Amino acid sequence: QAQLVESGGGVVQPGGSLTLSCAASGFSFNSYGLHWVRQAPGKGLEWVALISSDEHNKYYGESVKGRFTISRDTSKKTLYLQMNSLRPEDTAVYYCAKDRVEWELGAWGRGTLVTVSS
Amino acid sequence: QSVLTQPPSVSGAPGQRVTISCTGNTSNIGAGYDVNWYQQLPGSAPKLLIYGNIFRPSGVPDRFSGSKSGTSASLAISGLQAEDEADYYCQSRDSGLSGLMFGGGTKVTVL
Repeated sequence: QAQLVESGGGVVQPGGSLTLSCAASGFSFNSYGLHWVRQAPGKGLEWVALISSDEHNKYYGESVKGRFTISRDTSKKTLYLQMNSLRPEDTAVYYCAKDRVEWELGAWGRGTLVTVSS
Repeated sequence: QSVLTQPPSVSGAPGQRVTISCTGNTSNIGAGYDVNWYQQLPGSAPKLLIYGNIFRPSGVPDRFSGSKSGTSASLAISGLQAEDEADYYCQSRDSGLSGLMFGGGTKVTVL
């Protein structure tokens, strides 16, 4: 059974940086694409980024392109999201999710809260 | 504003059947991209409910069913139960985007 556990959330000032981590277990880590999806308080889901199983392809949502970087470490079975130039509108719970097959989010973590505020 | 349009809310009495629509266009659902549905119970992470338009992952009750026609898709819940009270999101891809997108979400209330 796939398990995903996010960490690294917290309070950061506008313009600051933060790196989120997602520890994976229970599946073959290097066989699946991994995503970040966020949810602002009281709002719907917003897809943030995807990294392919072989790390060769990375895709980003328009609102984070150029500011966020997705990466993965196979030896540590961990997914990362480096977030720079943070804005108040980036405040959200950030979930990591695993592909069931391409572009289907078959398993989700519980999320980590990022608050961007002065 | 989501490209995939869902009603903000639907409601029904226990045992009734409710449907949630997800309306797209010829660049996404109408272009042949699959639609997936997720259920988010209060205070919980989303969970895959329907994939590939019509298929249920193991463990999802057969009260939940999906369909797709033209530029729209639908999720039906038959025999509505109190535990079905949740937010439901459709998801697909778009030929004009490099990633995926979600509908705005629908809150299901059991009366």
